[in-house]
Amino acid sequence: NAGVTQTPKFQVLKTGQSMTLQCAQDMNHNSMYWYRQDPGMGLRLIYYSASEGTTDKGEVPNGYNVSRLNKREFSLRLESAAPSQTSVYFCASSEDWRIGNTIYFGEGSWLTVV
Amino acid sequence: RKEVEQDPGPFNVPEGATVAFNCTYSNSASQSFFWYRQDCRKEPKLLMSVYSSGNEDGRFTAQLNRASQYISLLIRDSKLSDSATYLCAFLSGSARQLTFGSGTQLTVLP
Repeated sequence: NAGVTQTPKFQVLKTGQSMTLQCAQDMNHNSMYWYRQDPGMGLRLIYYSASEGTTDKGEVPNGYNVSRLNKREFSLRLESAAPSQTSVYFCASSEDWRIGNTIYFGEGSWLTVV
Repeated sequence: RKEVEQDPGPFNVPEGATVAFNCTYSNSASQSFFWYRQDCRKEPKLLMSVYSSGNEDGRFTAQLNRASQYISLLIRDSKLSDSATYLCAFLSGSARQLTFGSGTQLTVLP
């Protein structure tokens, strides 16, 4: 059982380039999330999808777009990467957004924008 | 005021010591509370939920104080393997998201 799988694990981008982080879960969870983690800032929510077909902004959505492709997959797109988007990105999923103790994270994607 | 604030750390303690972390939250509508553990360059993993009556899991005890709006995590008889960053998190029904603290780094020394 893979849980939450995200790709790529490492990526270096030049300023202005675009890229998509992919995330898939095999736990039949309804809710999915994208967080970024920066030193001293903790985890900050970028976007989330409470259920298939819905997406909502989190705390730091600027510069990002998301797509809930189906129940399993939730992608994060950087249209024009900026150095401020250098971070570690975590995808997560949960059975239901109201049940915090069932949230599972992927292994993270280390993104550097130069 | 930040929504959630944690002890800054780092905490460096000898093996066998007892160590406690606090986490304060500002949103009084917060409904559920959790402690997560994150190892270096790894994803966060749920350590334990925090209940109003307090709860214990082996050497770990979590408590919630709604009046003062903080949660705590107590680790007794620290092991080297407890070295990690501990993140508090809370769920607010109105916000529909889990909000995390910035984490407290613990290093248990031999």
